[in-house]
Amino acid sequence: DIQLTQSPSFLSASIGDRITVTCRASQGISSHLAWYQKTPGKAPKLLIYAASSLQSGVPSRFSGSGSGTDFTLTISSLQPEDFATYYCQQLNHYPFTFGGGTKVEIK
Amino acid sequence: QVQLQESGPGLVKASETLSLTCTVSGDSIRRDFWNWIRQSPGKGLEWIGYVHYSGSTNYNPSLESRLTISLDRSKNQFSLRLSSVTAADTAVYYCARGTDHGDYRPYLDPWGLGTRVTVSS
Repeated sequence: DIQLTQSPSFLSASIGDRITVTCRASQGISSHLAWYQKTPGKAPKLLIYAASSLQSGVPSRFSGSGSGTDFTLTISSLQPEDFATYYCQQLNHYPFTFGGGTKVEIK
Repeated sequence: QVQLQESGPGLVKASETLSLTCTVSGDSIRRDFWNWIRQSPGKGLEWIGYVHYSGSTNYNPSLESRLTISLDRSKNQFSLRLSSVTAADTAVYYCARGTDHGDYRPYLDPWGLGTRVTVSS
């Protein structure tokens, strides 16, 4: 199975901060990567697909980049509703796998 | 607006079969990929598998020998059956639609809220 390593696993930040989360794959996965946001009590939400495409309805402060083995999720200006856990997922090889998550908390 | 909702027993005895249903509203299961994902306590997300609208399936090999995912087109539902459960199957189970955005990959959106399942001894 392809392993996805996210870093950091925990991030403390303030409203308005720019943050970056990284996801590294154990082997190349082309651009077949998604980012999801998971907030307690809410359904997980797709933010980015195909590594860099913004899902419809997702604010433009979210962006994704990368291909091959190294990927990033950037939030340009953190808003209160962005404090959540973020997961990457690879869809290049079966079984699809997720990263371990990055929890973003308020500083 | 598409919504998915999981249902099923919250408690299952070890060695028995776990059965969950996902009811889809606002969309037809006659297209796309219909997935199950789980999250065990204190752990990350695990993709369980999907059923394509055609009826074909793809399962996580770690669960394949115990797993069945199927469609009920008449009810616009899909279901999961996991046999011979153990404490390791205790988790929150999510259903999600997988949609191809042009690269032949089923990106997951939307998801249900999840249902907690505990396996008791």
